[in-house]
Amino acid sequence: DIQMTQSPSSLSASVGDRVTITCQASQDISNYLNWYQQKPGKAPKLLIYDASNLETGVPSRFSGSGSGTDFTFTISSLQPEDIATYYCQQYDNLPGFTFGPGTKVDIK
Amino acid sequence: QVQLQQSGPGLVKPSQTLSLTCAISGDSVSSNSAAWNWIRQSPSRGLEWLGRTYYRSKWYNDYAVSVKSRITINPDTSKNQFSLQLNSVTPEDTAVYYCARDRVGAVAHWGQGTLVTVSS
Repeated sequence: DIQMTQSPSSLSASVGDRVTITCQASQDISNYLNWYQQKPGKAPKLLIYDASNLETGVPSRFSGSGSGTDFTFTISSLQPEDIATYYCQQYDNLPGFTFGPGTKVDIK
Repeated sequence: QVQLQQSGPGLVKPSQTLSLTCAISGDSVSSNSAAWNWIRQSPSRGLEWLGRTYYRSKWYNDYAVSVKSRITINPDTSKNQFSLQLNSVTPEDTAVYYCARDRVGAVAHWGQGTLVTVSS
């Protein structure tokens, strides 16, 4: 099974700060990596697919990069509405997919 | 716009069967370009994919190894919905259960989630 790790597990940043989250896969997954945002009591929301493609309707301050085993998710200018937990998810070994443990983002 | 509406009980007794249904609007369960999944989330296990059903000239199912012996996912074309049955539940199966539509691994549409508690 492919294992996903994320760091940090939580972070606090100020409004306007650049925020970076990393995700690492236990083996090469090419670019088969998505990023989600989840707010309390809500289902996850797809933000980035195939490592770097912005889902329709998602603000451009969100971006993703990487391939192979190392991936990065960035919020270029943190907004109050970005307070949430962010998950990476791999789908290299379909049919199933695996999510990372999540990174909780707070406002400092 | 695809929408998924879940229904089913929030409390199940140990050893019994957990049953949930996901009604689809804006798409067809028989779509040749989508797969219909069940995913659950708990503090101890995080987000966990359970299985899926999909139609590609015939019906297919895939299940996670962790639940393969206990799970059934069925499409219902007459009602444009799909269902989850998880047998022999234990308190470890307590979680928020989501139905979801994926397009080649990217889950763009989710149900509202159902908290299912396994308790006597």
